[in-house]
Amino acid sequence: DADVTQTPRNRITKTGKRIMLECSQTKGHDRMYWYRQDPGLGLQLIYYSFDVKDINKGEISDGYSVSRQAQAKFSLSLESAIPNQTALYFCATSDNRGSTDTQYFGPGTRLTVL
Amino acid sequence: GDSVTQMEGPVTLSEEACLTINCTYTATGYPSLFWYVQYPGEGLQLLLKATKADDKGSNKGFEATYRKETTSFHLEKGSVQVSDSAVYFCALSDHDYKLSFGAGTTVTVRA
Repeated sequence: DADVTQTPRNRITKTGKRIMLECSQTKGHDRMYWYRQDPGLGLQLIYYSFDVKDINKGEISDGYSVSRQAQAKFSLSLESAIPNQTALYFCATSDNRGSTDTQYFGPGTRLTVL
Repeated sequence: GDSVTQMEGPVTLSEEACLTINCTYTATGYPSLFWYVQYPGEGLQLLLKATKADDKGSNKGFEATYRKETTSFHLEKGSVQVSDSAVYFCALSDHDYKLSFGAGTTVTVRA
């Protein structure tokens, strides 16, 4: 089984709809991240959380919100989706023990906003 | 702020050719450097990393050396295979546990 899972894998929605993307992990990591990927732009950080009570904005948080329901779960919400939020969204985790900065990624959610 | 610049693609090669993808970075501290690979339809996977100057990361025949004097971390492979077709991302972490990514380089290897 995958260590980092994302649901749904694909979603098509309409402008103005509220959307939630979910991420779960079995790696036991405290740190979780949400990124979006656009062609030619690499990955941009939306939000990150270093533990259940810690939520931080990333580079492009406008129009998004997150919820850290448990150590293993980190959800991303688009309160009112707009077409320029069409992108590939990735969740990632990392371990706060030791010195490694390595992040582990889920398979991604492809979101299309019409 | 921290940033990563990598060679634009796409890159198309024949099997057994040599591959080099250039990556340079800007950072205020002494970052860790990474190469991630994204195969078609999948998430990103760590390919290799280096945490200090002159370190060499290696995996699956790929290598990259952390060059502080030129602020570079170029990815190389001596003989590519069709299975190496993917998007490659250079990234850095300035030890605040956030990654800054380059734009990605699409590599296609033809049989």
